[in-house]
Amino acid sequence: SQKIEQNSEALNIQEGKTATLTCNYTNYSPAYLQWYRQDPGRGPVFLLLIRENEKEKRKERLKVTFDTTLKQSLFHITASQPADSATYLCALRTNAGKSTFGDGTTLTVKP
Amino acid sequence: DTEVTQTPKHLVMGMTNKKSLKCEQHMGHRAMYWYKQKAKKPPELMFVYSYEKLSINESVPSRFSPECPNSSLLNLHLHALQPEDSALYLCASSQPARGGNSPLHFGNGTRLTVT
Repeated sequence: SQKIEQNSEALNIQEGKTATLTCNYTNYSPAYLQWYRQDPGRGPVFLLLIRENEKEKRKERLKVTFDTTLKQSLFHITASQPADSATYLCALRTNAGKSTFGDGTTLTVKP
Repeated sequence: DTEVTQTPKHLVMGMTNKKSLKCEQHMGHRAMYWYKQKAKKPPELMFVYSYEKLSINESVPSRFSPECPNSSLLNLHLHALQPEDSALYLCASSQPARGGNSPLHFGNGTRLTVT
């Protein structure tokens, strides 16, 4: 069966360090992998998208990698700040237009 | 604030009530979605509309009835719900669903409580 797993339910790091979140999937052939941020009581907000033929994408302090051989994406936040504390969701999107989300990782950045 | 507006923000309804959730976007997107999210769980896809036509129904019970009156509006009609249907209902929009690489733009949801 299809499965999307994010490495841990919670991740705590110190301000200024790099946060690394993992998304693994099985039995999928996604066209795109997306990362979203969700704050309590609000809808997810899109951060980055990476295509199946791309290895890496960057946006300011964010970096995402996509390894279709390992079926894994890594999401990095460098120089993390307390304001980065939130739940981060990976989502796989197929060419049919269906996006399926992982369970999310709740990141806490401590001052 | 998001560019996808959902009303109401909160809704409490009894199991015999009929109510509707509304969603509006003015980004020119031609695909719209309903997701359901329970506490500490990811959003789960319910329905996808592409060019105002229902393209995906994820085997959702008939007590949930979607409607897309035009390209900017999406409704979810609720009837005879169960307490376990209590959740955050999220609307999203994007460029056309098929083959597109457009990300989802979410509203902030309607928090539904069924008593």
